[in-house]
Amino acid sequence: DTAVSQTPKYLVTQMGNDKSIKCEQNLGHDTMYWYKQDSKKFLKIMFSYNNKELIINETVPNRFSPKSPDKAHLNLHINSLELGDSAVYFCASSQRGGPDTQYFGPGTRLTVL
Amino acid sequence: SQQGEEDPQALSIQEGENATMNCSYKTSINNLQWYRQNSGRGLVHLILIRSNEREKHSGRLRVTLDTSKKSSSLLITASRAADTASYFCATEGTASKLTFGTGTRLQVTL
Repeated sequence: DTAVSQTPKYLVTQMGNDKSIKCEQNLGHDTMYWYKQDSKKFLKIMFSYNNKELIINETVPNRFSPKSPDKAHLNLHINSLELGDSAVYFCASSQRGGPDTQYFGPGTRLTVL
Repeated sequence: SQQGEEDPQALSIQEGENATMNCSYKTSINNLQWYRQNSGRGLVHLILIRSNEREKHSGRLRVTLDTSKKSSSLLITASRAADTASYFCATEGTASKLTFGTGTRLQVTL
């Protein structure tokens, strides 16, 4: 019973390619997030969706486009991948209306060659 | 800019000892949370302390919050090898988003 799941776990690709990472949560939460964790373990929020509506959009290149087909899913599409995009990407979810305790997925390690 | 700074960056202790990690932040918060990340895994929520609380306990964890100094500490008592992980503080401000600190890598040896 995985609460927040991501696919794929590992993604190795060439510069310039387009790739997607999928995220699903079965917790019934209203809000989902994408984070990027760099090689120094610094975790930074990228996007947040609440009931399929974008509510947080940090300074992220527009090559990154989140898509939420329903409130249980938040996918991340990345165009024209660059070397600097190599990182671990985490999806998370939380229930609005209270303190923002977040539940994280296992992460997707993206390596751009 | 980054909200939380954690100290120390790395900590190595022996099993049975206590581990203390500190977190400082810069702006007003609604609450502060601590998360654990095992190597190669996602973050796991440990404990949340609200801005009007000063201390909170959960099992072997004790968290304090000093809003006047904009700092928090996480104490893990009687540490175990399984506590080996990175620990992150995260603050929730008025924008209702979490901002994570730099993390403390804890190594507990037998």
